[in-house]
Amino acid sequence: NAGVMQNPRHLVRRRGQEARLRCSPMKGHSHVYWYRQLPEEGLKFMVYLQKENIIDESGMPKERFSAEFPKEGPSILRIQQVVRGDSAAYFCASSPTGIEQYFGPGTRLTVT
Amino acid sequence: KNEVEQSPQNLTAQEGEFITINCSYSVGISALHWLQQHPGGGIVSLFMLSSGKKKHGRLIATINIQEKHSSLHITASHPRDSAVYICAAMGGGGADGLTFGKGTHLIIQP
Repeated sequence: NAGVMQNPRHLVRRRGQEARLRCSPMKGHSHVYWYRQLPEEGLKFMVYLQKENIIDESGMPKERFSAEFPKEGPSILRIQQVVRGDSAAYFCASSPTGIEQYFGPGTRLTVT
Repeated sequence: KNEVEQSPQNLTAQEGEFITINCSYSVGISALHWLQQHPGGGIVSLFMLSSGKKKHGRLIATINIQEKHSSLHITASHPRDSAVYICAAMGGGGADGLTFGKGTHLIIQP
């Protein structure tokens, strides 16, 4: 059973561009969480999704950020019109039950 | 909102020493996670606890639900244990995701 996969591992975007981060959960896992780790800061919860549903997006910035987890395919975290402050490591975690979580390797976003 | 506090923030020890990292949280939880993050950034889930004690190799994690406190112990520490150790609380405080401590930077010197 392959682990949680994230791609790309590194992403460079210019200010104003869009960033799309993908997370493929482990087989059989229907719960996906996205977390952000800003430079020199701790991890922070962003959003919790189950297949086709956003369960909790209380940690997501209100503008420019969106997430989806379609019936088929990976979960996508989308950041529109990126700014320098969006530079961070973005981790997803998947779970079969919503309790134990298995982390992906992360996507490091750099905004220039 | 759940507050998760870890101590110490930084810890340097000699190879072979017994290591203890502490974590306390403010609101009742459904589970507590201990995570390890190496330089380069990948995160490994070490333990998930809702009560009692768990052991895996040289690592031991305990939790006291009444006192809202958990500890991670490393026996016979080794330089390859050098990493950031993060505790994270699940449940309590409203959000469905994990609430993380700031992490403990552990360096084990040979």
